[in-house]
Amino acid sequence: DQQVKQNSPSLSVQEGRISILNCDYTNSMFDYFLWYKKYPAEGPTFLISISSIKDKNEDGRFTVFLNKSAKHLSLHIVPSQPGDSAVYFCAASAGADSWGKLQFGAGTQVVVTP
Amino acid sequence: EAQVTQNPRYLITVTGKKLTVTCSQNMNHEYMSWYRQDPGLGLRQIYYSMNVEVTDKGDVPEGYKVSRKEKRNFPLILESPSPNQTSLYFCASSLSHGGGTEAFFGQGTRLTVV
Repeated sequence: DQQVKQNSPSLSVQEGRISILNCDYTNSMFDYFLWYKKYPAEGPTFLISISSIKDKNEDGRFTVFLNKSAKHLSLHIVPSQPGDSAVYFCAASAGADSWGKLQFGAGTQVVVTP
Repeated sequence: EAQVTQNPRYLITVTGKKLTVTCSQNMNHEYMSWYRQDPGLGLRQIYYSMNVEVTDKGDVPEGYKVSRKEKRNFPLILESPSPNQTSLYFCASSLSHGGGTEAFFGQGTRLTVV
């Protein structure tokens, strides 16, 4: 059973507007959450992360929000740009001894239109 | 340039014919992993390695073997491939095992077993 879920397989947004990607998880032991971005024919690349002791982390146009009580996190991209068109994966890990073991969601395909 | 290199990028093989997918990283990372990506399932971990000669099973290890004889290399071995192993495979490495540690991914190997 998947412990990290991205229920929206795709998202279309206009250039300049906000993109909001959602992710839900079931394992209360998860203490780090990461977002990866993937272009076709390339491997995933790290985008942004957040520790469970925080509720927000910001890096330029990207902000991740964490709601622990709801076991929900979201990634906001503002403003969206054509180069943001990619698949975005939410990932989580549990504990200091997680040995780099990440649980991934199924991904959300973002298309930014002019 | 820091990178994770996988070979081959594309491979078509027949059922039962042993194959090896190579993975090499030049960042002196201790931790390496193999993932497979399937539609609707995201990335699932196959095996991981904490250091030379130290490996362990991930979530979907059946039908795969790995070895870690050198720090930089982590090959994935399919002794007797079957069609259900048709997938997109990614190798990843990270500096430490901390929960928020960024993993660096290779470009992927598209495997088709007929």
